[in-house]
Amino acid sequence: GAVVSQHPSWVICKSGTSVKIECRSLDFQATTMFWYRQFPKQSLMLMATSNEGSKATYEQGVEKDKFLINHASLTLSTLTVTSAHPEDSSFYICSARDPISLAGEGRNEQFFGPGTRLTVL
Amino acid sequence: LAKTTQPISMDSYEGQEVNITCSHNNIATNDYITWYQQFPSQGPRFIIQGYKTKVTNEVASLFIPADRKSSTLSLPRVSLSDTAVYYCLVVYSGAGSYQLTFGKGTKLSVIP
Repeated sequence: GAVVSQHPSWVICKSGTSVKIECRSLDFQATTMFWYRQFPKQSLMLMATSNEGSKATYEQGVEKDKFLINHASLTLSTLTVTSAHPEDSSFYICSARDPISLAGEGRNEQFFGPGTRLTVL
Repeated sequence: LAKTTQPISMDSYEGQEVNITCSHNNIATNDYITWYQQFPSQGPRFIIQGYKTKVTNEVASLFIPADRKSSTLSLPRVSLSDTAVYYCLVVYSGAGSYQLTFGKGTKLSVIP
């Protein structure tokens, strides 16, 4: 199946700094990628939908100025947590859909990255 | 968006068949039913997806009744490595839109 990678796998930073997380589709082109956040023992919560070449669509309650999303190419989307604070510590996961490989099969599976563990001190 | 309801947790012994049922009463015509598996500190892994009736792959089966208001993930002969959280999702895809919302998940614990 299609592979999605994330970098870094984990990051520890001081409060007030900005952190960039990369999400790459390795063997397919993804016009749309999704960013999720997951707190311990909780489900994934969709933060935003990242569209290549256009502005991201944020879910209600997610600050677009704090969580900057850039989808500059068909294989890369980045999430930047600006002025991170301890409450931003979480597991951030991206996903992507491969519409070409799924065409004609009637399937709509998403491929998830391995996640990035962010700890803000 | 359709919402899903599934048991919070389940226990099973090794070698048994496990069935996890999910309800999605307000599922729409364009919605697919998808199941993911997640281990701690890892991204979700696709298990199976279906639209109606029965779907089977190398790891699981998915049973969907005619009204599509529920679905059952069946894991044959579970092993300890199947201990994970399983998410039932209804995926909306249509009119240029694609939406996926995770439910709370079912934590499956496989006992030796």
